[in-house]
Amino acid sequence: GAGVSQTPSNKVTEKGKYVELRCDPISGHTALYWYRQSLGQGPEFLIYFQGTGAADDSGLPNDRFFAVRPEGSVSTLKIQRTERGDSAVYLCASSLGLAGGANEQFFGPGTRLTVL
Amino acid sequence: DQQVKQNSPSLSVQEGRISILNCDYTNSMFDYFLWYKKYPAEGPTFLISISSIKDKNEDGRFTVFLNKSAKHLSLHIVPSQPGDSAVYFCAASGYGGSNYKLTFGKGTLLTVNP
Repeated sequence: GAGVSQTPSNKVTEKGKYVELRCDPISGHTALYWYRQSLGQGPEFLIYFQGTGAADDSGLPNDRFFAVRPEGSVSTLKIQRTERGDSAVYLCASSLGLAGGANEQFFGPGTRLTVL
Repeated sequence: DQQVKQNSPSLSVQEGRISILNCDYTNSMFDYFLWYKKYPAEGPTFLISISSIKDKNEDGRFTVFLNKSAKHLSLHIVPSQPGDSAVYFCAASGYGGSNYKLTFGKGTLLTVNP
């Protein structure tokens, strides 16, 4: 497909478990972003990759959250020891990653994570 | 502290009329503003944007106005159509090297009644 895809679309897990959320960006987009959207809120920035490296991970809430993008394409967001407060929709976006200028981000449909 | 504020959680308009969605921001370093539209169970979809060097940008039925001195922007939809019913998010970022991090408002649910 031409858009950003995310799997799974829904994930239900128990408190304390480990989860992985996957994002496939638009082909050719060098920049990739993770956001988290809680109920009634707008998306909140988590982490930004330019190529394989995390250029800014200042939005990750704590060290239970980690993300990788080993080959500069697919990215995985990993959450250890999940807590009920982690329940949210996790959104991935990608963009051309142009240096300077405007940089519209294209979002995937999100993964709805529910921690019981 | 909300840096991007959408003070109206919802807005209802009649088909064919104008919809005006408002957004205020507090961070004077923001230089680029975007509107996203979101349907249920889908990700946000980019709609229109404006940089701080402009005060208006138009794309078909959608126009965004920026008042930099008031730190205020608005999205006008004319004429409104039932298919425009969605949540609209205002977002802001820096320009150039700091353009990657979008800060979103909480969104406004627009309902266009036939």
